[in-house]
Amino acid sequence: GAVVSQHPSRVICKSGTSVKIECRSLDFQATTMFWYRQFPKQSLMLMATSNEGSKATYEQGVEKDKFLINHASLTLSTLTVTSAHPEDSSFYICSAAGHYSNQPQHFGDGTRLSIL
Amino acid sequence: DAKTTQPTSMDCAEGRAANLPCNHSTISGNEYVYWYRQIHSQGPQYIIHGLKNNETNEMASLIITEDRKSSTLILPHATLRDTAVYYCIVSTSGNTGKLIFGQGTTLQVKP
Repeated sequence: GAVVSQHPSRVICKSGTSVKIECRSLDFQATTMFWYRQFPKQSLMLMATSNEGSKATYEQGVEKDKFLINHASLTLSTLTVTSAHPEDSSFYICSAAGHYSNQPQHFGDGTRLSIL
Repeated sequence: DAKTTQPTSMDCAEGRAANLPCNHSTISGNEYVYWYRQIHSQGPQYIIHGLKNNETNEMASLIITEDRKSSTLILPHATLRDTAVYYCIVSTSGNTGKLIFGQGTTLQVKP
């Protein structure tokens, strides 16, 4: 089945640091990738949609300068949390989908980000 | 906002079938019904999806009513490892449609 790999799985860093999270589709080409955030005891919230070779589309209320998304190839998208603060601590999850409309999205295992 | 309604929680005995309902009364003609589940501290796992017809795979069966306003996910023989939050989502297509997650149903499989 389709595999999406996310790295790192966990990161702890100091306030003010920028953190990059990678999302890779391992056995298929992902024309579209999505980034979600999940706070404790809450559901997933879509942050942005990323298409290969074009600018990401951000959901309302998500700061594009805070959460930089790059989708440079059909197998890799990155999310950079710039100048992270404790309120950015969360579980970040990516998903990826292939070319065909009947293909479901597959999710990575998430990145637990903790800002001290 | 999520366009589906699910019960907050359900219990199921191990080895029995788990039937998880979902209402999606405002579903559009081109929207699929997707089911995912999330086990604690992991990313969501795809289970099954369908448009009009009932679907079955190695994990589950999906029963969609004729008017498409509701559906049921069936886990035929629930195990303890099926304990998770189950999300029913409607979306225009898998690869480009947004998946808007609601609160889902927390399924607890008990021995």
